[in-house]
Amino acid sequence: AQSVAQPEDQVNVAEGNPLTVKCTYSVSGNPYLFWYVQYPNRGLQFLLKYITGDNLVKGSYGFEAEFNKSQTSFHLKKPSALVSDSALYFCAVRDIAPYNNNDMRFGAGTRLTVKP
Amino acid sequence: GAVVSQHPSWVICKSGTSVKIECRSLDFQATTMFWYRQFPKQSLMLMATSNEGSKATYEQGVEKDKFLINHASLTLSTLTVTSAHPEDSSFYICSARPGTIYEQYFGPGTRLTVT
Repeated sequence: AQSVAQPEDQVNVAEGNPLTVKCTYSVSGNPYLFWYVQYPNRGLQFLLKYITGDNLVKGSYGFEAEFNKSQTSFHLKKPSALVSDSALYFCAVRDIAPYNNNDMRFGAGTRLTVKP
Repeated sequence: GAVVSQHPSWVICKSGTSVKIECRSLDFQATTMFWYRQFPKQSLMLMATSNEGSKATYEQGVEKDKFLINHASLTLSTLTVTSAHPEDSSFYICSARPGTIYEQYFGPGTRLTVT
């Protein structure tokens, strides 16, 4: 079964500095990888996904993520953090082989705090 | 873009009563819907997966008689928490997937508090 690990519970960065939120995954086949953001008492908002193709994926709000198959990682990055980026970030994976009802499995989440 | 709604957004009920939460895909047909549960400061835990017109598939440890899921149409799934207890208090999030195999869209969540 697929699984996701987010090794950091908390990431703190200063506004204007680059940020990285780490994610590693485990699947038996090829992965579909996703990043979502959650604000307090809200549902999940989609940021970006990797299905196939270019390893560098660009998403919403200036975020991007790099798929690294050899390291089984899909780290989320942003060149210049904003205070408004402060939220809870979830990495998720789906295993596409074999396809059936394969659901998403989520990491534990990483709380990003951007300080002015 | 694809929108998933949930109703109600929050509900308070007394212990022993039942609560129904609706999940609707507003602008697409959802062949598969998922129900997640999220405790404070924790990740989403999948409760069950349902396909339209079929019985839901529950994850291990989830009581199917307590959490009744109905996926009666391609745009509506309901989760009924029967005989609710305070430990059922949580944030419930539904998700819907159209016929494509990639995308999965999430509702805004329902905060259930059982007193």
